[in-house]
Amino acid sequence: AQSVSQHNHHVILSEAASLELGCNYSYGGTVNLFWYVQYPGQHLQLLLKYFSGDPLVKGIKGFEAEFIKSKFSFNLRKPSVQWSDTAEYFCAVNPSGGGADGLTFGKGTHLIIQP
Amino acid sequence: DADVTQTPRNRITKTGKRIMLECSQTKGHDRMYWYRQDPGLGLQLIYYSFDVKDINKGEISDGYSVSRQAQAKFSLSLESAIPNQTALYFCATGTGREGDTGELFFGEGSRLTVL
Repeated sequence: AQSVSQHNHHVILSEAASLELGCNYSYGGTVNLFWYVQYPGQHLQLLLKYFSGDPLVKGIKGFEAEFIKSKFSFNLRKPSVQWSDTAEYFCAVNPSGGGADGLTFGKGTHLIIQP
Repeated sequence: DADVTQTPRNRITKTGKRIMLECSQTKGHDRMYWYRQDPGLGLQLIYYSFDVKDINKGEISDGYSVSRQAQAKFSLSLESAIPNQTALYFCATGTGREGDTGELFFGEGSRLTVL
């Protein structure tokens, strides 16, 4: 079974700082990878996903993530954060071609952006 | 209107009561899922369904049951609620069609408090 590890449970940054949230997964085969965001009081929304092709994927709101297969990593980045990026961020994985069993999620990173 | 609708959005109940959380979707997706979210634990899969005749247990199914009444409806029941089932519950859908990357689409959540 696959598992997902998010290294930082709480991150506090000032506006305009750069962001990198770590995500590592454990699975022996090829995978599809996702980052979801949950703004306060809201449901989960997809930020970006990787399933094939260019390992650097761009998502909404200026976020991007890089899939490094050799490191089993899919770190999320944003060059300059805004106060509105305050949210919970979840990394998730499922085996390629086997999405039926749903996504396996990390425990989340709570990001707070200070004005 | 939301594509994935959950009712009720908030519910407070007492230990031992039977509770049903309902989910309906207009996305035409075959696959439906129930997840539970607890602070610091991320999302954990309770049950999932590929179609009305197919129900599968997730990683934390004990104490829960589900019913897939139609392609568009998937309900979660707590036969006898206990306080440690206090959590935020999310319904999600997935296409299950050819080319499916495993992306899930979430409802807005049902916050359940068991006293």
